[in-house]
Amino acid sequence: IQLTQSPSSLSASVGDRVTITCRASQGISNYLAWYQQKPGEVPKVVIYDASILPTGVPSRFSGSGSGTDFTLTISSLQPEDFATYYCQQFNRFPRTFGQGTKVEI
Amino acid sequence: EGHLVESGGGLVQPGGSLRLSCEGSGFTFDIYWMNWVRQAPGKGLEWVANIKQSGSDTDYSDSVEGRFTISRDNAKNSLYLQMNSLTAEDTAVYYCARENWGRFDYWGRGTLVTVSS
Repeated sequence: IQLTQSPSSLSASVGDRVTITCRASQGISNYLAWYQQKPGEVPKVVIYDASILPTGVPSRFSGSGSGTDFTLTISSLQPEDFATYYCQQFNRFPRTFGQGTKVEI
Repeated sequence: EGHLVESGGGLVQPGGSLRLSCEGSGFTFDIYWMNWVRQAPGKGLEWVANIKQSGSDTDYSDSVEGRFTISRDNAKNSLYLQMNSLTAEDTAVYYCARENWGRFDYWGRGTLVTVSS
């Protein structure tokens, strides 16, 4: 299963609403996670099962979608949100990742 | 809170071999699928391999199938990745990660593998 994220990068300002899209090459139900990775750091899950927010992740992060089309939304971008975001599917092996979306200032 | 710590990375010549290890602590290691994920310098995340709780089932990405072998020793809370026939394209930070109901929730800090002559 291939995952295609768009855009590959985006420029935004603090306070902006940001939306990142992940499209799967075949249906994956809701078995999708989103990760945030800052330079030099380990990836951190911010959404799983397409829309579930892990404990400790700010509520400005939200996810939606099912089947083949998914979105990650940051409602009001904060300085600590500038990072690269990856989607990953868990419907089938191999556990493929999207190519990443870099959110820049 | 669980922790994962990788070791075994380093500089290896093309065609060489390396064995990575990952030790888990703070959680019941033997009830989780475990994974290796790599990230080449400046590139995205690439899933490499995973292994079932018992070690009976494994899966690999096409890019490493036949060259890499994932294994685990639950008595030692440890995960391994034997890497053979290494090429420059295998240069990356290698992370071990725990799979927990639809996400990789614990990640190690990674170990750098550099393949170069």
